[in-house]
Amino acid sequence: AQKITQTQPGMFVQEKEAVTLDCTYDTSDQSYGLFWYKQPSSGEMIFLIYQGSYDEQNATEGRYSLNFQKARKSANLVISASQLGDSAMYFCAMREGLIGTSYDKVIFGPGTSLSVIP
Amino acid sequence: DTGVSQNPRHKITKRGQNVTFRCDPISEHNRLYWYRQTLGQGPEFLTYFQNEAQLEKSRLLSDRFSAERPKGSFSTLEIQRTEQGDSAMYLCASSPGFGRGINQPQHFGDGTRLSIL
Repeated sequence: AQKITQTQPGMFVQEKEAVTLDCTYDTSDQSYGLFWYKQPSSGEMIFLIYQGSYDEQNATEGRYSLNFQKARKSANLVISASQLGDSAMYFCAMREGLIGTSYDKVIFGPGTSLSVIP
Repeated sequence: DTGVSQNPRHKITKRGQNVTFRCDPISEHNRLYWYRQTLGQGPEFLTYFQNEAQLEKSRLLSDRFSAERPKGSFSTLEIQRTEQGDSAMYLCASSPGFGRGINQPQHFGDGTRLSIL
């Protein structure tokens, strides 16, 4: 069965420091996508970064990078130079699908609450 | 604003009443998803549509839950005979089809927060 594990319920980081949020996943499919979303206290889900299972390079988007280790089935999010506005819940998600079919399955992890300290 | 729109933002109702939520996806997105999110948890997938076809509904929590997308545009989620345990945030998301890969993120609305008295 598919599963996403985020082992850190809560994390603290000093402003301007880097922080790594852990995510491990379990799937038997070869083709899948991994996503990270941010959910501030206001509730909206904001897409941050994507990593495809066949991508050889780690994804980067501004201050966000994804440390993808396929053999270990991990997709950790690294936030560099943390800002106060980064305080939020962070969710790791996995999407499986088959191109040319309607099969589409997305599951989310339980999330990590990040607090940035001034 | 061309994002995903959900209405209402908040719904408070008495146990046993029926409620209906609406989601307007991004116009060019043919896939629409419904999720439920309880406090401190990640979104839990309920159902999804490709255009007007509901392709996965086995995860709808009970037969009190139903969803429609009659013209392949907006969608509604209805909960009949609400119970206390239905109190949650109900999120809608949309995305394009896969195209050349499954790299399309889902774009979420702000959600409808349901409170059952």
